[in-house]
Amino acid sequence: NAGVTQTPKFQVLKTGQSMTLQCAQDMNHEYMSWYRQDPGMGLRLIHYSVGAGITDQGEVPNGYNVSRSTTEDFPLRLLSAAPSQTSVYFCASISGTGVLSEQFFGPGTRLTVL
Amino acid sequence: DAKTTQPPSMDCAEGRAANLPCNHSTISGNEYVYWYRQIHSQGPQYIIHGLKNNETNEMASLIITEDRKSSTLILPHATLRDTAVYYCIVRGSGSARQLTFGSGTQLTVLP
Repeated sequence: NAGVTQTPKFQVLKTGQSMTLQCAQDMNHEYMSWYRQDPGMGLRLIHYSVGAGITDQGEVPNGYNVSRSTTEDFPLRLLSAAPSQTSVYFCASISGTGVLSEQFFGPGTRLTVL
Repeated sequence: DAKTTQPPSMDCAEGRAANLPCNHSTISGNEYVYWYRQIHSQGPQYIIHGLKNNETNEMASLIITEDRKSSTLILPHATLRDTAVYYCIVRGSGSARQLTFGSGTQLTVLP
């Protein structure tokens, strides 16, 4: 079991470029989510998905798109990168349902936008 | 979900118990208390959760006051590898499964 994997680990973009952050999990979890973490702050939810074909917005969705074509994969797309999107991005998948579910986080992607 | 308040930082000597407090005075009856930690540059890691009874697992103990307005996470024998930011999160049974992270407590275990 690899758990939750994210690629790339590091990325530098120029303003206006687009890219996709990859996230995959092999635990057959229905629920997956993307967070961003800015320096000295807690994680903020960007988008989440409750299953293949179903996505919804979190707290800070602007500038990001997601899709969920399979249970395993949940990519995050930056449409036109901006310096304000410089952050560490974490993908998570969740076991179980309801309040007793446990979140498993990936190792993160450090993104710098110049 | 109820808001939580944690001290921004704490120190603990290696081998001693680390007691991390959390206030959640607006917690409601169906809300659970969760603890996660984040070791530098890594993704958050689940530690423990509880409703009203004290809980213990291989990582830590969780003590919740009788009125449920505060809780304490206890790491019984802190090691240098326990240095991390610890997040106390309150979630209700009606909440979606995403977590709301505050700023947490930076615990530094000193040799």
